[in-house]
Amino acid sequence: ETGVTQSPTHLIKTRGQQVTLRCSSQSGHNTVSWYQQALGQGPQFIFQYYREEENGRGNFPPRFSGLQFPNYSSELNVNALELDDSALYLCASSFSGTAYGYTFGSGTRLTVV
Amino acid sequence: AQSVTQPDIHITVSEGASLELRCNYSYGATPYLFWYVQSPGQGLQLLLKYFSGDTLVQGIKGFEAEFKRSQSSFNLRKPSVHWSDAAEYFCAVENTGGFKTIFGAGTRLFVKA
Repeated sequence: ETGVTQSPTHLIKTRGQQVTLRCSSQSGHNTVSWYQQALGQGPQFIFQYYREEENGRGNFPPRFSGLQFPNYSSELNVNALELDDSALYLCASSFSGTAYGYTFGSGTRLTVV
Repeated sequence: AQSVTQPDIHITVSEGASLELRCNYSYGATPYLFWYVQSPGQGLQLLLKYFSGDTLVQGIKGFEAEFKRSQSSFNLRKPSVHWSDAAEYFCAVENTGGFKTIFGAGTRLFVKA
C-alpha cells in the first residue's frame, strides 16, 4: 500500500509568480485535502476535494485553487505569490471524508522571495 | 466555531518518564478528535482518534488519550517516553460539516537522556 506522495519537495519562487504543487493519494482514498503550515504553526485547512468536486474551503483567497483528477490525485495552484505564502504545503488523503483520519504526505516546502 | 487549544508550546521530559500533553476543544456536539505527530521536515502521522464509545482510546506507539466531555479535553498520554518520541504533537477536531480538520498550534516534545 503506497502512501501519499507530494512533489516537488522544495520550491523557491519569486513574488508574483504562479506555482503548482502535486499530490498522489494513498491507494483506495477518494478524498484529498490541502493544508498550509507556516513555520511554528499548526496546519491550516485550504480546501478539500471529494470525487473531483470541491467539498469545502477554508479562509484562503481565490488565488488558491485546486483540482482533483479521476485517479484521485490532486493539484494545488497558487497565483500571484506573496511572501506570506512561504510555508509547508501538506496534502492529505482519506476515504470518504475526514472521520477516518488523514494520511499525510511529507509536504512541499515553498519559499517565496 | 470549532477550535482547539494546546496550552503547552513545548514540554521537556526525561526518557522513561511519563508524558501528558494537554488539549482542549470547543465544539457544540460530540466531536471527532484526533492526535497527530510530526517529525521535523515530515508530514503528520495519525496516532489515534476518538469518535464515540469508550472514552479511553489506544493508539500506535504506546500512546493513549482520554476524552472528557465535562472538561472539553482530549489529553494524550504515554507511560514511558522514548527518545524517538521527540517531535511535534497536534491535537485536532473535525468540523461540523465534516469536510475539514481543525488543528491546534502544536506542542513540541523534547526528551532528555
